[in-house]
Amino acid sequence: QQQVKQSPQSLIVQKGGISIINCAYENTAFDYFPWYQQFPGKGPALLIAIRPDVSEKKEGRFTISFNKSAKQFSLHIMDSQPGDSATYFCAASIAGGFKTIFGAGTRLFVKA
Amino acid sequence: DGGITQSPKYLFRKEGQNVTLSCEQNLNHDAMYWYRQDPGQGLRLIYYSQIVNDFQKGDIAEGYSVSREKKESFPLTVTSAQKNPTAFYLCASNRQGANTGELFFGEGSRLTVL
Repeated sequence: QQQVKQSPQSLIVQKGGISIINCAYENTAFDYFPWYQQFPGKGPALLIAIRPDVSEKKEGRFTISFNKSAKQFSLHIMDSQPGDSATYFCAASIAGGFKTIFGAGTRLFVKA
Repeated sequence: DGGITQSPKYLFRKEGQNVTLSCEQNLNHDAMYWYRQDPGQGLRLIYYSQIVNDFQKGDIAEGYSVSREKKESFPLTVTSAQKNPTAFYLCASNRQGANTGELFFGEGSRLTVL
């Protein structure tokens, strides 16, 4: 119930291509779904987040698509660049709660 | 610049030793968290604190201890009771009124047991 399942575990994309990372959850009480980007040896940084009352949120080349009925959400990175090579984590949390549940992470490598 | 400072960045420990990881923030955030990161397992919550002098166990608190004597500081002690302490440890904070999942992270401390 508390898990967030993330796929794929790793992803290789050509420069200029679209990177897609998927996540699924079970607990319908989750109401905030952030994505974090982590470079090697660094802490994660909040990249973009969405609430379940919208189906899509776009910030620059990064878009979250949210499917409430399927309990799935995904991160799309358009025009992927080598500088996007990092580990990406999806997560979910509940307002007023104290825990953020993280997916296992996806290692993205963008080939130049 | 505001942020979270973790130290040391790298730490080596012999079996049977306790070690303390430092976490200091100047963001004026009330809530602070400790996460453990292992390859392929995402981030798992060790302890969290909502206010000074109060803290709660997370999902994997066994073998760890914390204190919260000041708003700015939330040190984590990895005790000899932690059976597999080699990991990357991340401290995070969250401002009051923000979404729980809106976390600011430090740069982490990598602990290796020799």
